Amino acid sequence: QKEVEQDPGPLSVPEGAIVSLNCTYSNSAFQYFMWYRQYSRKGPELLMYTYSSGNKEDGRFTAQVDKSSKYISLFIRDSQPSDSATYLCAMGDTGFQKLVFGTGTRLLVSP
Amino acid sequence: DAGVTQSPTHLIKTRGQHVTLRCSPISGHKSVSWYQQVLGQGPQFIFQYYEKEERGRGNFPDRFSARQFPNYSSELNVNALLLGDSALYLCASGGAPEAFFGQGTRLTVV
Repeated sequence: QKEVEQDPGPLSVPEGAIVSLNCTYSNSAFQYFMWYRQYSRKGPELLMYTYSSGNKEDGRFTAQVDKSSKYISLFIRDSQPSDSATYLCAMGDTGFQKLVFGTGTRLLVSP
Repeated sequence: DAGVTQSPTHLIKTRGQHVTLRCSPISGHKSVSWYQQVLGQGPQFIFQYYEKEERGRGNFPDRFSARQFPNYSSELNVNALLLGDSALYLCASGGAPEAFFGQGTRLTVV
């Protein structure tokens, strides 16, 4: 079993839709939860992160962490064609700085 | 303000050869990590260096090695290249939760 599970998609939505991206994990030591966006053939770009449980909002993006269920989510409101990319969740513990990534979900937003 | 820079951006090597990849972190960052991303997968942790010392190593063979220099730049070396080493090699500057990645080096082994 992988430490972090993420549906690879692709997830296709029309412009303006609300998008929900999710990851589950098995390691209860994880304390940091990050979301990265990766365009084709580019490096991952940090979108936002949360520490421990709770919600965090940044513009059209909202990240949620439910540690009791070992489940994290990223919501994108008013999705745009420019949001079309692969979204990677990543996690780390407080000691060792290694990040553990999901496989990434490919998102396609059509005009 | 310069981000994370990696060089080269692309290269093609033959099986059995050696390769050196380079990374310059964001100014002020003392931590550099290396990741391998195979097509269709998430990045896999290879090494982390902090203040020129190895802080961690992922599940990669001894053919992979790295070092960090006094100016905090870093090199990743891979010996005896295999076809399976073909991937995007990413360098990350800074540690969790604010780890910033470079554009990567795309290595093709033929």
